[in-house]
Amino acid sequence: NAGVMQNPRHLVRRRGQEARLRCSPMKGHSHVYWYRQLPEEGLKFMVYLQKENIIDESGMPKERFSAEFPKEGPSILRIQQVVRGDSAAYFCASSPPGTGPNEKLFFGSGTQLSVL
Amino acid sequence: AQTVTQSQPEMSVQEAETVTLSCTYDTSENNYYLFWYKQPPSRQMILVIRQEAYKQQNATENRFSVNFQKAAKSFSLKISDSQLGDTAMYFCALDDKIIFGKGTRLHILP
Repeated sequence: NAGVMQNPRHLVRRRGQEARLRCSPMKGHSHVYWYRQLPEEGLKFMVYLQKENIIDESGMPKERFSAEFPKEGPSILRIQQVVRGDSAAYFCASSPPGTGPNEKLFFGSGTQLSVL
Repeated sequence: AQTVTQSQPEMSVQEAETVTLSCTYDTSENNYYLFWYKQPPSRQMILVIRQEAYKQQNATENRFSVNFQKAAKSFSLKISDSQLGDTAMYFCALDDKIIFGKGTRLHILP
């Protein structure tokens, strides 16, 4: 029973390029959450999605960032025209249908984005 | 606004000792959830323990227990009989979007 899978584990981009981070939730989970972790900081909520719907994107920067969770395939966090300040670890978590973040979240191992 | 504060950036204890990690929070909600998450060097976030605010009884999971003081908005984690595998960053968190504290780096010394 595979856990939450994130890829790539490490991603290096130059300023101005696009970054695409992928998250496959646990089997049977229909809720996905994205968090960003800066060095020596806790995780900060970005967005909460269900299949084909964005439920809460209050933590997403207004520009350059977008997220989707299509009917088929992984959830994608997309960062356009990356800047050095986007360098961080990005974590994905999932939870089963009928639950929310108050229930147990299952986290992936994160994608470390480095912007040169 | 909801906030979570962990005042101990780093702690070290000897193996088999008991250690307590502090956490205070602020929320205007009356019913909410609190969590402690562990992040080992592998970087994966692992739920250690969860407390529902309307439950007065402190949550316990094997060697991990909490001291939940709702009036004081305090939620400390006690690790008994600490083991080398407990070495990790520990994050206190508050719902509903899971607001995380900045963490406490815990070292268990052999």
